[in-house]
Amino acid sequence: AQSVSQHNHHVILSEAASLELGCNYSYGGTVNLFWYVQYPGQHLQLLLKYFSGDPLVKGIKGFEAEFIKSKFSFNLRKPSVQWSDTAEYFCAVNADNYGQNFVFGPGTRLSVLP
Amino acid sequence: DTGVSQDPRHKITKRGQNVTFRCDPISEHNRLYWYRQTLGQGPEFLTYFQNEAQLEKSRLLSDRFSAERPKGSFSTLEIQHTEQGDSAMYLCASSPGRLAGLAKNIQYFGAGTRLSVL
Repeated sequence: AQSVSQHNHHVILSEAASLELGCNYSYGGTVNLFWYVQYPGQHLQLLLKYFSGDPLVKGIKGFEAEFIKSKFSFNLRKPSVQWSDTAEYFCAVNADNYGQNFVFGPGTRLSVLP
Repeated sequence: DTGVSQDPRHKITKRGQNVTFRCDPISEHNRLYWYRQTLGQGPEFLTYFQNEAQLEKSRLLSDRFSAERPKGSFSTLEIQHTEQGDSAMYLCASSPGRLAGLAKNIQYFGAGTRLSVL
């Protein structure tokens, strides 16, 4: 069965600090990878996605993620965070052979101090 | 607003009662998903519809849970004989069909229905 782990439960950063949130998954076949963000009081929104091709993908609001197949990882990065990035971040995996069963990680709460 | 809408936003019920939630997907999306999210966890997949057909169900979906999408548009999730363990946020998402290519795998979420079972 697929599983997704996120390294940090809660990350606290000051504005302008760099961010890296870890995500690892367990499935060995072809996967589709996603990062979703949930701002306080709002619904889940897609931040970025990887289906195939260039393993470095860029998303909205200056976020990017790198797919490293050998490490089963899909880490999220941002060079300089802002207070408005305070939110919960979820990594999700959909393996081609698992139909439409999307598996989400437990989430990482990011708090950015002004 | 043309996003995924869910109703109600919050439902408080007593243990043993039945509850029903509604989800209206984005109009051109033929795929619809239900998830459950508890505090401190990511969404957990419950079930998936393509048009009116329920194609996948998680083992989390016990016999007390039933979902329908009768005309391939809106969907309902019913929980019978609610238990305190059912307290959670119930999320609905939709995505385009196969003709959208890889975009079919992008899910758009509603705000959710928060269920509190007393």
